[in-house]
Amino acid sequence: DGGITQSPKYLFRKEGQNVTLSCEQNLNHDAMYWYRQDPGQGLRLIYYSQIVNDFQKGDIAEGYSVSREKKESFPLTVTSAQKNPTAFYLCASSIGKLDTQYFGPGTRLTVL
Amino acid sequence: KNQVEQSPQSLIILEGKNCTLQCNYTVSPFSNLRWYKQDTGRGPVSLTIMTFSENTKSNGRYTATLDADTKQSSLHITASQLSDSASYICVVSELAGGYQKVTFGTGTKLQVIP
Repeated sequence: DGGITQSPKYLFRKEGQNVTLSCEQNLNHDAMYWYRQDPGQGLRLIYYSQIVNDFQKGDIAEGYSVSREKKESFPLTVTSAQKNPTAFYLCASSIGKLDTQYFGPGTRLTVL
Repeated sequence: KNQVEQSPQSLIILEGKNCTLQCNYTVSPFSNLRWYKQDTGRGPVSLTIMTFSENTKSNGRYTATLDADTKQSSLHITASQLSDSASYICVVSELAGGYQKVTFGTGTKLQVIP
């Protein structure tokens, strides 16, 4: 069963704690992306990776970090430096940098 | 700043009726335009993709049009069903430094009622 998965679906965090969101794909896609979605706003790009061991900052990278040690995995860490982390986080992947992005089901992060 | 604006913000229609959603953009240089459907609490799913030379693209009851001269696109839904209730997002891509930079619209929230 091919696809892109994210876990957990819901995540609660206390202020000041780091938290890592998982994103895995078995589509053999080279490119992977992390977006943040807030009510009334379009998706905003946090980080993207075009190939293993390489990643680039998106429009709102401050307070976030990523790694791309394996082609299948692109975890996102929300650090305590992110001032307003409560949001819906979406991971996506594409065959290459010019191709349609396929999205995971999302993780809703709530900071208590 | 490149922008993608969608209208209306929200729409309620009766089951079986048709509707049209609008997307205006200022993204340049234009690469392609996609329409996505996003169910509440889920990730977006691609419906159509159009490049500069394409005027129309259909996917079942969904038909997208593109006017690259006026930088406008529309998504027409025919014979709406309750399952069409979702947000519809217009996404415009540009090529920037060898990378496909995408700009997402804020979406139109469609509710189909019986």
